[in-house]
Amino acid sequence: GAGVSQSPSNKVTEKGKDVELRCDPISGHTALYWYRQSLGQGLEFLIYFQGNSAPDKSGLPSDRFSAERTGGSVSTLTIQRTQQEDSAVYLCASSLVVLAEGETQYFGPGTRLLVL
Amino acid sequence: SQKIEQNSEALNIQEGKTATLTCNYTNYSPAYLQWYRQDPGRGPVFLLLIRENEKEKRKERLKVTFDTTLKQSLFHITASQPADSATYLCALAGGSYIPTFGRGTSLIVHP
Repeated sequence: GAGVSQSPSNKVTEKGKDVELRCDPISGHTALYWYRQSLGQGLEFLIYFQGNSAPDKSGLPSDRFSAERTGGSVSTLTIQRTQQEDSAVYLCASSLVVLAEGETQYFGPGTRLLVL
Repeated sequence: SQKIEQNSEALNIQEGKTATLTCNYTNYSPAYLQWYRQDPGRGPVFLLLIRENEKEKRKERLKVTFDTTLKQSLFHITASQPADSATYLCALAGGSYIPTFGRGTSLIVHP
């Protein structure tokens, strides 16, 4: 069975441009998370989707960041007017049910974003 | 504020020895703790979960302990192999559904 996939695997962009990062979770997983991992840093939570509920956006660092999840499956993370400090690996994870019940997260390979 | 600490220095050990990694936390009452493995250029892979009412969990050559009094988890790999070389992350989750990750400790097993 397919795991979590993310695209593109690498993205180089110029400061000020918008970028879209895509995540395809494992089929049937209701929960989807986006994280950011900077060099030498831990995973920083960005946003969480659970079923049809309103997403938890509490981790988004600024209003330049937004995310959508269409049809309870594919998710897109959009960064507008990118800045150099946005350079990082963006990881997506999905789980069968809510993590509070002790479910395992399955991570994708990440998108490496470099803002020049 | 909540804080998770993992040794930032790489752990170098000889093949066949037991590797022990530490995860300490403060200002946190986790319901459970997880350990993940992350290889360069890849996403983390789940290894083990231990709940607050469990003292120890084992899976093949892996063992995790959880001491909520000391606010510490130890992660052991017995009979270590060069293939075990990776970064190991601990993650804690409390009543919310959002786990907090440590920065990870790099393990290098020398043949």
